[in-house]
Amino acid sequence: NAGVTQTPKFQVLKTGQSMTLQCAQDMNHNSMYWYRQDPGMGLRLIYYSASEGTTDKGEVPNGYNVSRLNKREFSLRLESAAPSQTSVYFCASSEAFRGGPNEKLFFGSGTQLSVL
Amino acid sequence: TQLLEQSPQFLSIQEGENLTVYCNSSSVFSSLQWYRQEPGEGPVLLVTVVTGGEVKKLKRLTFQFGDARKDSSLHITAAQPGDTGLYLCAGGLNGYGKLTFGQGTILTVHP
Repeated sequence: NAGVTQTPKFQVLKTGQSMTLQCAQDMNHNSMYWYRQDPGMGLRLIYYSASEGTTDKGEVPNGYNVSRLNKREFSLRLESAAPSQTSVYFCASSEAFRGGPNEKLFFGSGTQLSVL
Repeated sequence: TQLLEQSPQFLSIQEGENLTVYCNSSSVFSSLQWYRQEPGEGPVLLVTVVTGGEVKKLKRLTFQFGDARKDSSLHITAAQPGDTGLYLCAGGLNGYGKLTFGQGTILTVHP
């Protein structure tokens, strides 16, 4: 069972370049999320998709765009990369956007992005 | 904005020692989750606590939710090198799927 699959695993960009991070889940989950992780900052939510066809901004959306392509796939795009976007990016999914004791996030293994 | 503060940020101990990690907030949460993350991997859920004062045990790990549902602790008894990793707490609200994460505690257990 693959769970949440992210590609690429590593990426180096020059300032101003664009790229798309891909994420796919095979658990038939309704909700998907993009987080960034920086040292000493924990995980910060960039964008989320509560259900297919909807996307919303999280805590740190500036400089990013997302697309919920279908129920399985949720991509994150950097239109013009900046050094401040150097980070580890995680995609996650959950069964439904309802919180509560049974809500559980499943994470991919991350994309390490460096912007020079 | 709801914030979760974890302490300590770094913890380096010898195998066999006990340790406690704290997760504190001024906000009330419906539930509190603890995740463990190994290098090069995403976080994996360890436990969810939902009732004020609740205590859950997972082998040598004991999780507690504060009475007021504003804080939580993770206690590890007789730590082992395999416990090494980043521990993250995350607060949630019923009916609302976004989680608020603490900044994490990096635990290193030396043989």
